[in-house]
Amino acid sequence: KAGVTQTPRYLIKTRGQQVTLSCSPISGHRSVSWYQQTPGQGLQFLFEYFSETQRNKGNFPGRFSGRQFSNSRSEMNVSTLELGDSALYLCASSALQQNTEAFFGQGTRLTVV
Amino acid sequence: GESVGLHLPTLSVQEGDNSIINCAYSNSASDYFIWYKQESGKGPQFIIDIRSNMDKRQGQRVTVLLNKTVKHLSLQIAATQPGDSAVYFCAENEAGANNLFFGTGTRLTVIP
Repeated sequence: KAGVTQTPRYLIKTRGQQVTLSCSPISGHRSVSWYQQTPGQGLQFLFEYFSETQRNKGNFPGRFSGRQFSNSRSEMNVSTLELGDSALYLCASSALQQNTEAFFGQGTRLTVV
Repeated sequence: GESVGLHLPTLSVQEGDNSIINCAYSNSASDYFIWYKQESGKGPQFIIDIRSNMDKRQGQRVTVLLNKTVKHLSLQIAATQPGDSAVYFCAENEAGANNLFFGTGTRLTVIP
């Protein structure tokens, strides 16, 4: 069974640009969550989708958005990139709606210059 | 301003010894807890979980203990091996959700 797949693995963008990251969950998993990992703030929850609906959102500005498709694949978008958005963006998938193991992908390393 | 990196607690153990990694959580409404291991350049890897109606759970070489009274979680690794060297995170999950709140992590170094 394939794990969580995130693309691309690495990305370099310029301030002011926008970026879209993709996540394919484990087959059969309907919940997809996104996290940002930085040396300064650690791992922080961005948002979670279940059956194409955003169920929870972390404390991030509106420049961070996401969506989930009918096949459970998810994308997150960051608009008007800032230097501080440089981070490892991680996607996790879960089989159930709540309180179940979340399996992480390798992440997308975003560098904003 | 310049961001300051998180000061990760560190733990160094001799190969073959047991390791204990501790974590304090803050949300009384959390009812599900997970320990993750993260190696350099990789995403967090699920190790073991525990629900709030339990106080102990064992896996292969790992044991998680939960003390809800003092909001404390610990991970015990038996017979620590060099491959166990990584950063370990505890995470708490609010009831009815799939959003995890992570601790700062502990860097475990196993000395051969």
